[in-house]
Amino acid sequence: DAMVIQNPRYQVTQFGKPVTLSCSQTLNHNVMYWYQQKSSQAPKLLFHYYDKDFNNEADTPDNFQSRRPNTSFCFLDIRSPGLGDAAMYLCATSRGTGRTDTQYFGPGTRLTVL
Amino acid sequence: AQSVTQLDSQVPVFEEAPVELRCNYSSSVSVYLFWYVQYPNQGLQLLLKYLSGSTLVKGINGFEAEFNKSQTSFHLRKPSVHISDTAEYFCAVRDNFGNEKLTFGTGTRLTIIP
Repeated sequence: DAMVIQNPRYQVTQFGKPVTLSCSQTLNHNVMYWYQQKSSQAPKLLFHYYDKDFNNEADTPDNFQSRRPNTSFCFLDIRSPGLGDAAMYLCATSRGTGRTDTQYFGPGTRLTVL
Repeated sequence: AQSVTQLDSQVPVFEEAPVELRCNYSSSVSVYLFWYVQYPNQGLQLLLKYLSGSTLVKGINGFEAEFNKSQTSFHLRKPSVHISDTAEYFCAVRDNFGNEKLTFGTGTRLTIIP
């Protein structure tokens, strides 16, 4: 089945220690998104790629970076995680950005910062 | 900019009873509306969406929603709930000018009581 895969499902890191979260997709979609979802809050868009074009949300901290080496993979790098970065990180994809394009979400990676 | 309000953070319902989860939105332009469901420790799954046409939209798992432009609402309903419907439900909005960004509400936790 075509899907969005996130690894690992659970990640523990130490305060200030860089961490990378991974997302892959078998849908061959052009757009890949990263959302941050803190406990009992709505998912918040951090940034997205349309093919190789990177689009950062204005309020995304510089501490968060992303890479998309090819169509299938997208990475979220947190350069110096703080306690406030503990959250569920959701990856999503869509074929395009047209009116009928639906976003498909992966299962998420829950990040704990010690 | 758009915003979404989900007035009820938690809704307990007895099994086989009907349920309505409320969603109101605010936008200066026309929008597309979505409902997503998130089961424990999983990503978001699309339940249904309104793009245009009939204001009553039917989705998966027996859910439906009605778009009411005058009241800027998009309430989700199910006539008879099951234990398996226990989950978090998110309403989301996207403008129809090609902006791919989804703005989510804070979610409603639906708990089914046996």
